[in-house]
Amino acid sequence: DIQMTQSPSSLSASVGDRVTITCRASQSISNYLNWYQQKAGKAPKLLIYAASSLQSGVPSRFSGSGSGTDFTLTLSSLQPEDFATYYCQQSYTTPLTFGGGTKVEIK
Amino acid sequence: EVQLLESGGGLEQPGGSLRLSCAASGFTFRSYAMSWVRHAPGKGLDWVSSIVDSGYSTYYADSVKGRFTISRDNSKNTLWLQMNSLRAEDTAVYYCVLSSGWGGPSYFDYWGQGILVTVSS
Repeated sequence: DIQMTQSPSSLSASVGDRVTITCRASQSISNYLNWYQQKAGKAPKLLIYAASSLQSGVPSRFSGSGSGTDFTLTLSSLQPEDFATYYCQQSYTTPLTFGGGTKVEIK
Repeated sequence: EVQLLESGGGLEQPGGSLRLSCAASGFTFRSYAMSWVRHAPGKGLDWVSSIVDSGYSTYYADSVKGRFTISRDNSKNTLWLQMNSLRAEDTAVYYCVLSSGWGGPSYFDYWGQGILVTVSS
């Protein structure tokens, strides 16, 4: 199985900050990497697919990069509605696997 | 508008069975793979199972293989998850998910609101 390791597991940031979350795969997954946002009590929401493609309707302050084993989700200027938990997920092979999540909290 | 509406959850004893249903609307159901993803309390997201558009191929997490069965009826726009031999560790919110791009860089782009399954005596 492909293991997905996210870091950090949590972070505190202020509105307007630039935030970077990393995700590392245990083997190369090309660009088969997606990012989701989940708020408490809500279903996850797709942000980025295929490592760097912005899902329709997602603000342009979200961006993704990377290929192979190392990937990054960047929020260029954190907004109040961005405080949530973020997950990466590989779709290279089954079993499909998620990272452990990164909780973004208000400083 | 894509809508995915789960039903069939609830409280079940260990060893029991439940059948989750997902009624889909707002898209061409027969053209998309579908999946179930769960979220246990205090834990991260966990992929459970997927089924391709035709229904001919299915995929399972090792933790549910042999106990859970995913199926679909494209004439009824409905997805199911039959869960047998339930364990306490199956307790979670279960999401029905539209899976785009299956066979390539696939992704979960539409999610239902989720349904709670609790396994406890």
